[in-house]
Amino acid sequence: EAGVAQSPRYKIIEKRQSVAFWCNPISGHATLYWYQQILGQGPKLLIQFQNNGVVDDSQLPKDRFSAERLKGVDSTLKIQPAKLEDSAVYLCASSEGDRWNTEAFFGQGTRLTVV
Amino acid sequence: AQTVTQSQPEMSVQEAETVTLSCTYDTSENNYYLFWYKQPPSRQMILVIRQEAYKQQNATENRFSVNFQKAAKSFSLKISDSQLGDTAMYFCAFMTTGTASKLTFGTGTRLQVTL
Repeated sequence: EAGVAQSPRYKIIEKRQSVAFWCNPISGHATLYWYQQILGQGPKLLIQFQNNGVVDDSQLPKDRFSAERLKGVDSTLKIQPAKLEDSAVYLCASSEGDRWNTEAFFGQGTRLTVV
Repeated sequence: AQTVTQSQPEMSVQEAETVTLSCTYDTSENNYYLFWYKQPPSRQMILVIRQEAYKQQNATENRFSVNFQKAAKSFSLKISDSQLGDTAMYFCAFMTTGTASKLTFGTGTRLQVTL
């Protein structure tokens, strides 16, 4: 079974530029998560999708971050404009999303450096 | 809202010895899942072990076992016969049940296994 795919692995941009990250979850997984992990900290949930609907985006800085999940499959996370404090690893994860689901599978993440 | 607390930022253990990582959580839910994830320098989050809250028996996976104390809301991870490959960040995580499960992480414990 293919895992969660993320691209790019690394990205360096200047502040005020824009950037986009892509995630392809495991086939058939209804739930998709985007996490932000700042160096030395635990992952913080930015947004959670159930199919193509948003379940939770309470910690997403909506003035600069946006995310969409196309047809309930792939997802993109965009930052515009980027700030220095956005430097972090952005993790995508997916799970089956049914009531018996017990595990989230993670991609390798995208390391963003804003200079 | 659920919170997960890991009070040990860093731990060190000698190869072949046993180490215990601590985790406490706060929730008003009665049914939920608890996880320990390992994150090596490659950044890939790998599931180590899971525990269903309705099960009284502590989960074990080879050298990894948990001590789940539901009343105390405590969920510690014991690693026996530590190996150099166990060196990583370890995150305790809490997941609600049902569709669109929410997954919340602690701040992590950095484990260093030494010769």
